[in-house]
Amino acid sequence: SQTIHQWPATLVQPVGSPLSLECTVEGTSNPNLYWYRQAAGRGLQLLFYSVGIGQISSEVPQNLSASRPQDRQFILSSKKLLLSDSGFYLCAWSRLAGYEQYFGPGTRLTVT
Amino acid sequence: KNEVEQSPQNLTAQEGEFITINCSYSVGISALHWLQQHPGGGIVSLFMLSSGKKKHGRLIATINIQEKHSSLHITASHPRDSAVYICAVLTHYPNFGNEKLTFGTGTRLTIIP
Repeated sequence: SQTIHQWPATLVQPVGSPLSLECTVEGTSNPNLYWYRQAAGRGLQLLFYSVGIGQISSEVPQNLSASRPQDRQFILSSKKLLLSDSGFYLCAWSRLAGYEQYFGPGTRLTVT
Repeated sequence: KNEVEQSPQNLTAQEGEFITINCSYSVGISALHWLQQHPGGGIVSLFMLSSGKKKHGRLIATINIQEKHSSLHITASHPRDSAVYICAVLTHYPNFGNEKLTFGTGTRLTIIP
């Protein structure tokens, strides 16, 4: 069966510090991968998605970047965090575009 | 106006009551998801549907494509159903021929014993 992991589960970082969140998927090959953010009191927002290694599409311009160094690994990064980067970050995968998406447990990021 | 609107935003009910959560959308879609987000934040996919009705246990989801409306029903509600229920629509996304999910802001459901 397929499993999706995210770490860390929670993170408190000062403004201006770097960020690296990792997501890995087990039990499937060549998944579509997604990064979402849920800010307090707001709906989920798509940040990045990837259809393959090295292929990243950004939904909105922002302070963040994503990379996919391996087929089942998706990394969300920032060189310098802003207060507005605080939120709940979710990674998800799907077999193909338009198929059901499965979500990871999420990372709660607080920027102080 | 958001592309996906849910109502109500908050709902409190007694255990055993029949629950209805509504979702309206304003864009063309290929499918609609109902998701459940637990207090810890984890999200579980409940249904993905593009027409008609689906049932899983005490949960029923319906969609009317012509009216751009979907409902999630919970029969014989239980305190463990307390969660945020999120509607998300799958729309065509031109980049790479992909599709993307657009989410509603969720309905917070609290079932009182």
